[in-house]
Amino acid sequence: SQQGEEDPQALSIQEGENATMNCSYKTSINNLQWYRQNSGRGLVHLILIRSNEREKHSGRLRVTLDTSKKSSSLLITASRAADTASYFCATFASGGSYIPTFGRGTSLIVHP
Amino acid sequence: ETGVTQTPRHLVMGMTNKKSLKCEQHLGHNAMYWYKQSAKKPLELMFVYNFKEQTENNSVPSRFSPECPNSSHLFLHLHTLQPEDSALYLCASSQDQTSGSFSEQFFGPGTRLTVL
Repeated sequence: SQQGEEDPQALSIQEGENATMNCSYKTSINNLQWYRQNSGRGLVHLILIRSNEREKHSGRLRVTLDTSKKSSSLLITASRAADTASYFCATFASGGSYIPTFGRGTSLIVHP
Repeated sequence: ETGVTQTPRHLVMGMTNKKSLKCEQHLGHNAMYWYKQSAKKPLELMFVYNFKEQTENNSVPSRFSPECPNSSHLFLHLHTLQPEDSALYLCASSQDQTSGSFSEQFFGPGTRLTVL
């Protein structure tokens, strides 16, 4: 079964609006990472949140982690057309696993 | 864009061909990874090399053969592939495999492979 599953699968918004994506996972984790992928390109790391953290910010990005619900959310504020991409969460199981498990991603389209 | 390059960017091959994908990282990292990304499927980890030693083979068919001659280069040798192997193959690196789980992995742009 999949460790990380993003929701929604697709999201379409207007420039300036906020975009929220969610990630759910099944087992205990050491940390959770969010990546962005532009069409046909490699993934780019956005932010990492450790299991003992609840919230992190990076520029217009805000990530929350609720280990009791085994879920994380990525909020992009004041979205721009350049934010159009797919967003993935990657989880690393607790116990020192170095093998990431990615979800299927959320496809975000920001209309200018 | 990143310090990880992949060649070729696009590859079309027949089922009887033999080809190789190349990955090079200029970041001084010691861990390198091969991933497969198929449409509508999660990104799948295929192989991990740490200090040139293979540490993970995620039940990958033998028609995929990795090679890591040094910490900067990673190859994926392909032979007798199937059409369902068509996908985007991504290479990534991290400082080492342990830190790769606590810090970011740097990805290359990928090779779009089509098997006819």
